[in-house]
Amino acid sequence: DQQVKQNSPSLSVQEGRISILNCDYTNSMFDYFLWYKKYPAEGPTFLISISSIKDKNEDGRFTVFLNKSAKHLSLHIVPSQPGDSAVYFCAARRGNSGYALNFGKGTSLLVTP
Amino acid sequence: NAGVTQTPKFRVLKTGQSMTLLCAQDMNHEYMYWYRQDPGMGLRLIHYSVGEGTTAKGEVPDGYNVSRLKKQNFLLGLESAAPSQTSVYFCASSPRRHSYEQYFGPGTRLTVT
Repeated sequence: DQQVKQNSPSLSVQEGRISILNCDYTNSMFDYFLWYKKYPAEGPTFLISISSIKDKNEDGRFTVFLNKSAKHLSLHIVPSQPGDSAVYFCAARRGNSGYALNFGKGTSLLVTP
Repeated sequence: NAGVTQTPKFRVLKTGQSMTLLCAQDMNHEYMYWYRQDPGMGLRLIHYSVGEGTTAKGEVPDGYNVSRLKKQNFLLGLESAAPSQTSVYFCASSPRRHSYEQYFGPGTRLTVT
């Protein structure tokens, strides 16, 4: 039962443009949402998070938007750079579990020069 | 500051053999986790620990055991390896206060033949 879904396996964007990665979830008990970035042969790296009580969080070129009514979040990268090419995982934490993260299957982003 | 390290990086086992994967972190984090990642899948939690001497089951614990005798180390054991345990294993750690911000090791690629 996939509670966190990333329906786009891959995305290709030109350098300098905006990259938008999407994520949907089904569990209303999630209290934090996160994005992790993963390069080949490396572990995932924490990128940005958002609390369920907020609708936007920004960190430099990265912004995460949360739409609770639609159970949808998105990661915007502006401007996109070739070094952003990686697999991006959406994850969510259940508030009453404390520790477990549910991960999506990931979206592979390719930023072309 | 090495962060999270995992030993070994690669391993090939025959069905029925046993092995232990070692995870070490030098960030003084209270929480530690073991995940597995299979092709086309997100990360799934195997076991986790909220402190020295304590462990708990995650989403896919069957066939694995864990121990956390020291705060900085978290061991994952396979007593009798099966081909279904062929996967990439990631260890992670997080501080208690922001447990959703998990720091991952580089992974161990395990093949069971």
